[in-house]
Amino acid sequence: DAGVIQSPRHEVTEMGQEVTLRCKPISGHNSLFWYRQTMMRGLELLIYFNNNVPIDDSGMPEDRFSAKMPNASFSTLKIQPSEPRDSAVYFCASSPRFPYNEQFFGPGTRLTVL
Amino acid sequence: GESVGLHLPTLSVQEGDNSIINCAYSNSASDYFIWYKQESGKGPQFIIDIRSNMDKRQGQRVTVLLNKTVKHLSLQIAATQPGDSAVYFCAETSSGGSNYKLTFGKGTLLTVNP
Repeated sequence: DAGVIQSPRHEVTEMGQEVTLRCKPISGHNSLFWYRQTMMRGLELLIYFNNNVPIDDSGMPEDRFSAKMPNASFSTLKIQPSEPRDSAVYFCASSPRFPYNEQFFGPGTRLTVL
Repeated sequence: GESVGLHLPTLSVQEGDNSIINCAYSNSASDYFIWYKQESGKGPQFIIDIRSNMDKRQGQRVTVLLNKTVKHLSLQIAATQPGDSAVYFCAETSSGGSNYKLTFGKGTLLTVNP
């Protein structure tokens, strides 16, 4: 059981560059969540999908952030253009049932924007 | 790597002692609660959950207590081990409405001294 897979694990980029984070949920899970974790704000939900459809994106900070889920086994979170304040650890999680079920988290992507 | 525990409430216990980690929630409509454990450099890991129709639930070495009257949740870890050292988060959600959003607390850093 591979668990939730995220790539890259670490990303260092310069301000203004486009950043794409990738996530492969656990096979058979129908819900996918993107979170951001910082020391100041803790763990924040950015967006979540159910059956590949975005349900709530109210946590997305601003228009520079976008997320897609083209199929049940892949999702991306894109930041364009990136800013230093976007530096954080970004987690993807998936859940086998919507709602009321355990969310399985990936290892995270540590993003540093210089 | 970056620590998420620098500004968190901390609990330090001796190996073999019992640990109690507390969490207060504010949304009286919340009816599903989860405890997560996050080790350094990893994503949160599910420990145990509880629904609002229960006030206690036990797992392996862990017990969650829910007091809806005062909106308080606690996690008890029996015979704490060095491997239990981590940041512990409570999370809550409500079945009301059409959306599902898990709201995480700020976390508590547990340190187990050998």
